[in-house]
Amino acid sequence: SQQGEEDPQALSIQEGENATMNCSYKTSINNLQWYRQNSGRGLVHLILIRSNEREKHSGRLRVTLDTSKKSSSLLITASRAADTASYFCATDGSSNTGKLIFGQGTTLQVKP
Amino acid sequence: EAQVTQNPRYLITVTGKKLTVTCSQNMNHEYMSWYRQDPGLGLRQIYYSMNVEVTDKGDVPEGYKVSRKEKRNFPLILESPSPNQTSLYFCASSARVGGVRGNIQYFGAGTRLSVL
Repeated sequence: SQQGEEDPQALSIQEGENATMNCSYKTSINNLQWYRQNSGRGLVHLILIRSNEREKHSGRLRVTLDTSKKSSSLLITASRAADTASYFCATDGSSNTGKLIFGQGTTLQVKP
Repeated sequence: EAQVTQNPRYLITVTGKKLTVTCSQNMNHEYMSWYRQDPGLGLRQIYYSMNVEVTDKGDVPEGYKVSRKEKRNFPLILESPSPNQTSLYFCASSARVGGVRGNIQYFGAGTRLSVL
């Protein structure tokens, strides 16, 4: 079953604007990850945030995690046309099997 | 270059004709997994392997088989493909299983399968 749910499903912005995507999940986690997928291609890991962390940065990416609300957000600042892709959150559900549970994804379009 | 390689990238076949999608990783990862991606359903795990000769079912294993005879290879076998297995398939590998440090997965480029 899909644990993560992203919101919004689709987002269209102008280049230079910030893009915010949200993810909600249902069970306890060890960590939460965000992945990016260019159309029809494999997913690429962006950032991992541990359950004891509240915020993490990587370049133009900022991820927050609120374990009390079981939610996370991904902020892409100063977006570029090349950021156009689908973004997925993934949780491990506290499992030790290595399994990741992916959300449905947010499709981001950045217009030049 | 560290990578996960899937072959073929595109495949059109007919119902009932056995096929194998290969997956190979060059990162000495212990964990490997197969997913299918369908519109509106996201990524769903088919099978995974935590090490050589250790495999287990994911969420949607029906109609699929896997094997892990060597650490680097994890082929996906469809013994008798059906049209509902038309999908985009991804293989992924990871250095570690889980815990706080996480199971960061590296994905192949995908195999688009059409079963007629």
